[in-house]
Amino acid sequence: SAVISQKPSRDICQRGTSLTIQCQVDSQVTMMFWYRQQPGQSLTLIATANQGSEATYESGFVIDKFPISRPNLTFSTLTVSNMSPEDSSIYLCSVEMVQGMNTEAFFGQGTRLTVV
Amino acid sequence: AQSVAQPEDQVNVAEGNPLTVKCTYSVSGNPYLFWYVQYPNRGLQFLLKYITGDNLVKGSYGFEAEFNKSQTSFHLKKPSALVSDSALYFCAVRDDSGGYQKVTFGIGTKLQVIP
Repeated sequence: SAVISQKPSRDICQRGTSLTIQCQVDSQVTMMFWYRQQPGQSLTLIATANQGSEATYESGFVIDKFPISRPNLTFSTLTVSNMSPEDSSIYLCSVEMVQGMNTEAFFGQGTRLTVV
Repeated sequence: AQSVAQPEDQVNVAEGNPLTVKCTYSVSGNPYLFWYVQYPNRGLQFLLKYITGDNLVKGSYGFEAEFNKSQTSFHLKKPSALVSDSALYFCAVRDDSGGYQKVTFGIGTKLQVIP
């Protein structure tokens, strides 16, 4: 299994500013994932972060708005840039690990962001 | 493209009664299916998964889910609900048609267990 720590757990930010969310995993993983969970909605994958290469963004998400770093196999950051109230969401970090014959996903506790 | 539907926004059940949270899916290949639970102010927690084998899958906290290929469903069940089961439940699917496929989540179903 994997233990994932996210910081901060919550924040209230002014529009136009940026927030960087940190994700620390207690074991080395190849792929790390960043999701957004908007109020009353499901999880939406923002991007996949591999160590040593640029993140792969899903449709509707761009690097200028959500820059991601992946400096090593246990750590990643997601920055929400030039924030607006529409960015108010829970942001979740996730990793996948092989468990026996299968791959299982583990999630951080999330970062609850409110933009005012 | 793959998709997941959770047709109920909320399910209310009396404590001690059986509960069912519904999920249907659509994939082009064979499905990998998952259930996650999200308690207030906490991250997603894995409950159970179906990859292959027995259609009835048993998971954490007494939950189980039945894979029904003909109905493309993977409903979550528990024989006797507890008040502490009240949470948001997400069904998720991944297509095993080759290469890396991302996980797609349903919109979530809020389970309210009434004392």
